[in-house]
Amino acid sequence: DGGITQSPKYLFRKEGQNVTLSCEQNLNHDAMYWYRQDPGQGLRLIYYSQIVNDFQKGDIAEGYSVSREKKESFPLTVTSAQKNPTAFYLCASSPEAQGDAKNIQYFGAGTRLSVL
Amino acid sequence: AQSVTQPDIHITVSEGASLELRCNYSYGATPYLFWYVQSPGQGLQLLLKYFSGDTLVQGIKGFEAEFKRSQSSFNLRKPSVHWSDAAEYFCAVGADDKIIFGKGTRLHILP
Repeated sequence: DGGITQSPKYLFRKEGQNVTLSCEQNLNHDAMYWYRQDPGQGLRLIYYSQIVNDFQKGDIAEGYSVSREKKESFPLTVTSAQKNPTAFYLCASSPEAQGDAKNIQYFGAGTRLSVL
Repeated sequence: AQSVTQPDIHITVSEGASLELRCNYSYGATPYLFWYVQSPGQGLQLLLKYFSGDTLVQGIKGFEAEFKRSQSSFNLRKPSVHWSDAAEYFCAVGADDKIIFGKGTRLHILP
């Protein structure tokens, strides 16, 4: 089935450690996004990518990094510089980077990151 | 600046009763508007969208929403809720290269 796969479902980070969250899509979508969700805060955009080998910072990019080496993959690294990483992380993709369809986003099931 | 406001953090309705979740937006141009639903520990699922045309849009699971430009609103409605509708609902507006989400309304269903 086509969809967006996020792994792992649960992840634990030790102090000073970088961790990487995986996001893979087989929908042939051009654009991909990473959001952070905290209780009562809605979704906040971390990074997004409209095309392979290109990405832009969102509203809360500090302490995070991404890469887009393949169309289907958009991993997110939570670095040790992110002092409050405990949250639910959602990856999304969109069929197009331009036009009306760019606004339709499809979401993975999320990764819950906790700090040990 | 673009923004989305969902005034109700929690809403409780009885099973079988009607539902209306409120959403107000701020955006200079004609907006793209969305409602998403999220079950606990899951991702978001698109319920419905408004791009243009008929201001009353139908979505999945029996939901509908009405775009009212004069009120900058896009309220979500369902005539009769089911226990399985208990979830968190997010209104969103498409703005330039990104989507801006409201903070969500958690829907509780009384048996």
